[in-house]
Amino acid sequence: DAGITQSPRHKVTETGTPVTLRCHQTENHRYMYWYRQDPGHGLRLIHYSYGVKDTDKGEVSDGYSVSRSKTEDFLLTLESATSSQTSVYFCAISGGKVYGYTFGSGTRLTVV
Amino acid sequence: AQTVTQSQPEMSVQEAETVTLSCTYDTSESDYYLFWYKQPPSRQMILVIRQEAYKQQNATENRFSVNFQKAAKSFSLKISDSQLGDAAMYFCAYRSAVGAGNQFYFGTGTSLTVIP
Repeated sequence: DAGITQSPRHKVTETGTPVTLRCHQTENHRYMYWYRQDPGHGLRLIHYSYGVKDTDKGEVSDGYSVSRSKTEDFLLTLESATSSQTSVYFCAISGGKVYGYTFGSGTRLTVV
Repeated sequence: AQTVTQSQPEMSVQEAETVTLSCTYDTSESDYYLFWYKQPPSRQMILVIRQEAYKQQNATENRFSVNFQKAAKSFSLKISDSQLGDAAMYFCAYRSAVGAGNQFYFGTGTSLTVIP
């Protein structure tokens, strides 16, 4: 969607390798989120950020870390990818509680 | 944590007909927001409609409307005059109104097929 981009769009990686997904926004929103989408589970929160260098864990944070050194960039890192981390990853931004999310276009990650 | 339940994994509707997608949620809060998102095969998540819990009037957006029953904790989406482009996965989502950057809680989704 306009104002938020994710990269890469697709990635295949091997078990045990590190992987970093990038989310970039041009809306200057304070809040950014990483979700994973899996069949039968909907979207589940991995980590979120409420400002530069301010991040917190979501319900499925094990095996993931994040960093936010600038307002516009929120990085998700899989330190050592596992097959259970094969999923579609979405980044989202929010301008405040009364608004919905704006989502990126998602990254399909396959760990083989 | 709040839970959101979509009990219909799959639904189908004839083109031009009306279909209703169900969503229930569990919360102890009195002030919150509810959303329906559409995810077509392109994978993009698109906001369809939003409802503030303090508003008794049901939200509408063109062919999309909701039936919000706060006491029953129910939030169904009605799609009128269904079109082929409505075929998608639909997610119901809850967001607390307490605090600023609260996360969304999503249901597991309903896959809608539109039959020509």
